[in-house]
Amino acid sequence: DAGVIQSPRHEVTEMGQEVTLRCKPISGHDYLFWYRQTMMRGLELLIYFNNNVPIDDSGMPEDRFSAKMPNASFSTLKIQPSEPRDSAVYFCASRADRAGEKLFFGSGTQLSVL
Amino acid sequence: GENVEQHPSTLSVQEGDSAVIKCTYSDSASNYFPWYKQELGKRPQLIIDIRSNVGEKKDQRIAVTLNKTAKHFSLHITETQPEDSAVYFCAASRVGGNKLVFGAGTILRVKS
Repeated sequence: DAGVIQSPRHEVTEMGQEVTLRCKPISGHDYLFWYRQTMMRGLELLIYFNNNVPIDDSGMPEDRFSAKMPNASFSTLKIQPSEPRDSAVYFCASRADRAGEKLFFGSGTQLSVL
Repeated sequence: GENVEQHPSTLSVQEGDSAVIKCTYSDSASNYFPWYKQELGKRPQLIIDIRSNVGEKKDQRIAVTLNKTAKHFSLHITETQPEDSAVYFCAASRVGGNKLVFGAGTILRVKS
């Protein structure tokens, strides 16, 4: 298995533009998580899904952020409109319920909003 | 909600020495405590975890201890090597581990 796959690896955009981050979890994993990492706030959980259903989105900072999981192999995190303070590394992670709590992280998307 | 504090923020040790990183948590219902290692520019990876029914767990040069009464847990790395240099994150959650709250991280530098 190639692990959790995220795209793009780097995204540079201008303030006000829409940004879409993509994630493909490990096949067979029941849970998918979106995290944001910044120097100031560390690793923050934004939202997580169980069997494609959003369970907890209390970490989503604002209505500008939205996430979807249309099927078991794909999820998106969208920011519209983007702002400079959204600049961060966004990680997607997945895990299998039957295998315990170990999270497998993707390589992350480095987002820079100018 | 849960709050996890981690100390120190940076730690420098000489190769071969031991390194200890400490975390405290606030939610007494938390019972799952993993440690993740993140090398520069890479993804976090689980290195060891412990549950509240266990006081200590070891895996080669790495050990984690848990004191539920005091609500703190620690990571111990013995015989440190340059490849141990990374950022280490502790985390805590209730059963199921879905709402992991991470500490701020410790930058460990092992000098050769």
